[in-house]
Amino acid sequence: QVQLQQSGPGLVKPSQTLSLTCAISGDSVSNNNAAWNWIRQSPSRGLEWLGRTYYRSKWYSVYAVSVKSRITIKPDTSKNQFSLQLNSVTPDDTAVYYCARGPSALTSWGQGTLVTVSS
Amino acid sequence: QSVLTQPPSASGTPGQRVIISCSGSSSNIGGNTVNWHQQLPGTAPKLLINSNNQRPSGVPDRFSGSKSGTSASLAISGLQSEDEADYYCAAWDDSLKGWVFGGGTKLTVL
Repeated sequence: QVQLQQSGPGLVKPSQTLSLTCAISGDSVSNNNAAWNWIRQSPSRGLEWLGRTYYRSKWYSVYAVSVKSRITIKPDTSKNQFSLQLNSVTPDDTAVYYCARGPSALTSWGQGTLVTVSS
Repeated sequence: QSVLTQPPSASGTPGQRVIISCSGSSSNIGGNTVNWHQQLPGTAPKLLINSNNQRPSGVPDRFSGSKSGTSASLAISGLQSEDEADYYCAAWDDSLKGWVFGGGTKLTVL
């Protein structure tokens, strides 16, 4: 059974970088049949997919248009985890952030991290 | 504004059957399979139905899904108090090249 454990700060100042990590157990970040996603949820935006990373003979990362200029999702094979970095955050980025396993369905989710953007 | 459209609320009494709808377009539901997620208060979403009508291991057969054209629906029969939750439909969107979700339906068991 795949389990995802999220970690990272719950408070980020405006204009700074939001950084979260998702540790994987029961699967490998390098699994050719998996994709590793970040999704956020807020009252104003609902559930919003941010992007994913996956390995198909080489690494790929793809992002939602809404955050494409500010986001990086990358794997860490040495620790079997993947990370999210969102730059230049504003209060509008305040949300609960989730990691989740794909690709054809979001089958396993992390526990969620409430990230508040405030000075 | 969510890409997929769901009614914001639904309700039923214990034992009843409730249906939640989800409407999309040709770039998402029309061309790809639909998944449903259940979110209990204060928890992460949990996959309830995948590939339009498949229940993952451990999901009771009271839950069923269907899809027709650019719409899908989730049916819950024999409603129980523990079914009170938010339900979200999800599908891959070929135009946006990412997952899209419904706005969620809050199910109340009266």
